[in-house]
Amino acid sequence: DAKTTQPNSMESNEEEPVHLPCNHSTISGTDYIHWYRQLPSQGPEYVIHGLTSNVNNRMASLAIAEDRKSSTLILHRATLRDAAVYYCILWTGGGADGLTFGKGTHLIIQP
Amino acid sequence: DSGVTQTPKHLITATGQRVTLRCSPRSGDLSVYWYQQSLDQGLQFLIQYYNGEERAKGNILERFSAQQFPDLHSELNLSSLELGDSALYFCASSVVAGAEAFFGQGTRLTVV
Repeated sequence: DAKTTQPNSMESNEEEPVHLPCNHSTISGTDYIHWYRQLPSQGPEYVIHGLTSNVNNRMASLAIAEDRKSSTLILHRATLRDAAVYYCILWTGGGADGLTFGKGTHLIIQP
Repeated sequence: DSGVTQTPKHLITATGQRVTLRCSPRSGDLSVYWYQQSLDQGLQFLIQYYNGEERAKGNILERFSAQQFPDLHSELNLSSLELGDSALYFCASSVVAGAEAFFGQGTRLTVV
């Protein structure tokens, strides 16, 4: 299984940008880089995903290294609602498998 | 609202019993995935269905089974329940594996 490595926890201040790193040195060419987050007592929520190029959506930006062995999820202006566990997951396009969740990064936002 | 609907939200049952959890995927999504989340195991992939057929199995016990119907809704059947089966069960759907997946709010199962 393609695996990812994330810090256990990170802390940031409200209204500041947050950069969440993820290492995935064994990524294969058909693996998409996915990010999900889970707020307490809720189901996981899709944040963003990409293959090779950087991606932006209304929630966040995804910066992918040129060699694809690492990526960074960027929350441009954190709010208290962004406090959650963030999961970086590799998912093979068109494959027969589910998402493999690790322990993720627990993001703490200070007011 | 993710568009994925799970029922019931809560379920309390006794050991040895059988329960059925139901999931309606987002409109247009052909793939359905079931996950179990317990305090000690985290989020674990159980099984995937694609357009009515089983596509992949994860850490699913033999006491558990699932199916996806022609209207694409899915059911997860849990039998001979044990205390350790108490967990949150999530359903997710996507167009195909690799595309964005959307999760329901889960069913909290408590086995007493």
